[in-house]
Amino acid sequence: AQKVTQAQTEISVVEKEDVTLDCVYETRDTTYYLFWYKQPPSGELVFLIRRNSFDEQNEISGRYSWNFQKSTSSFNFTITASQVVDSAVYFCALTSNNAGNMLTFGGGTRLMVKP
Amino acid sequence: DAGITQSPRHKVTETGTPVTLRCHQTENHRYMYWYRQDPGHGLRLIHYSYGVKDTDKGEVSDGYSVSRSKTEDFLLTLESATSSQTSVYFCAISESGQGADQPQHFGDGTRLSIL
Repeated sequence: AQKVTQAQTEISVVEKEDVTLDCVYETRDTTYYLFWYKQPPSGELVFLIRRNSFDEQNEISGRYSWNFQKSTSSFNFTITASQVVDSAVYFCALTSNNAGNMLTFGGGTRLMVKP
Repeated sequence: DAGITQSPRHKVTETGTPVTLRCHQTENHRYMYWYRQDPGHGLRLIHYSYGVKDTDKGEVSDGYSVSRSKTEDFLLTLESATSSQTSVYFCAISESGQGADQPQHFGDGTRLSIL
């Protein structure tokens, strides 16, 4: 069985602070894929990034960066210089070639960025 | 934005009544999914489809049925709604299966309340 744990249910920061959202996953498969989605207050789900298990390079996209570490089964997401518009619920998700089309989500982390 | 339309966007109904939610896509993607979102659980897969008339169960399929008679439409039916099915329902689509190579893109959700 696959499992994704986002231990931080809610984080509150002040604008311009850096913040890291943690994601720990469990899978028995050697080939798997990790995702982050953002759900702003308007409710839609926005795809942010996909990473496969063979690519451990960290990725940076503007103020966003992702740190994938297989040794600790973690795929953490950092927002640098946070802005109010970053306020949202962020979901980490996992699937694999043996998962039967199932995308397993973590419980989500609600990020509140205060001005 | 991926061309996904969910209808209705909001619905309030009574226990025991049948309910059908519709997901319509304009992307001609082969795979379509229904999820429910509940606090603390993230999103959980209900059913998915890998082609016209081809469907399979997800993690929380009890009490739900689906149908896909056309590539563009995927219907989710609650035959006899119960209060435990009060939730936000999301439709998703993807080009390829297993969610692996291509990310799933989500509709805007349907908020369903069963009294």
